[in-house]
Amino acid sequence: ELKVEQNPLFLSMQEGKNYTIYCNYSTTSDRLYWYRQDPGKSLESLFVLLSNGAVKQEGRLMASLDTKARLSTLHITAAVHDLSATYFCAVESTGTASKLTFGTGTRLQVTL
Amino acid sequence: DGGITQSPKYLFRKEGQNVTLSCEQNLNHDAMYWYRQDPGQGLRLIYYSQIVNDFQKGDIAEGYSVSREKKESFPLTVTSAQKNPTAFYLCASSIIPGLAKNIQYFGAGTRLSVL
Repeated sequence: ELKVEQNPLFLSMQEGKNYTIYCNYSTTSDRLYWYRQDPGKSLESLFVLLSNGAVKQEGRLMASLDTKARLSTLHITAAVHDLSATYFCAVESTGTASKLTFGTGTRLQVTL
Repeated sequence: DGGITQSPKYLFRKEGQNVTLSCEQNLNHDAMYWYRQDPGQGLRLIYYSQIVNDFQKGDIAEGYSVSREKKESFPLTVTSAQKNPTAFYLCASSIIPGLAKNIQYFGAGTRLSVL
């Protein structure tokens, strides 16, 4: 059974600081997705990582994938308040035809 | 506008009652999914469908039922057998199952509560 763990579960950081969210998973996969969820809202796709060593960047967020370590990271550079949200990673198991297993989420709060 | 429409936004269920959550998409996607989200937790897969007239159980299918009679529609029924139905329900769709970069797109969700 695929297990996906994120840490930390909650992150409070000041504006302008850098931090990294970690996503570990338990079985072989080469497809990993990052989503953002604002309170009470739906999920918005941020990044798709499809191979070992893949790196994607959008604004102050950068995601990477290490399939050998079964680890993805979401790095936040110079955080701003607008980045406050819950971030989920989701892993697609090999051969499961788009069935995603989600992590528990990291709730990010950026303070002034 | 292309997208996924879930209705209603809020739903209340009485004891012993079955309720149906609607999910419609006009993205021409083949695959559709239902997830449940409990407060402070991640999403758990209830059912998914890769093609019309076919669907598979996810990780927490007990107490739920679905149908997929049309490509655009994937309604979820929460039956009276589901003893703890209070949650946020999210519907998603994706283009073709198994395709690389097969992003799932989500609806706005239905919040179900028990009276």
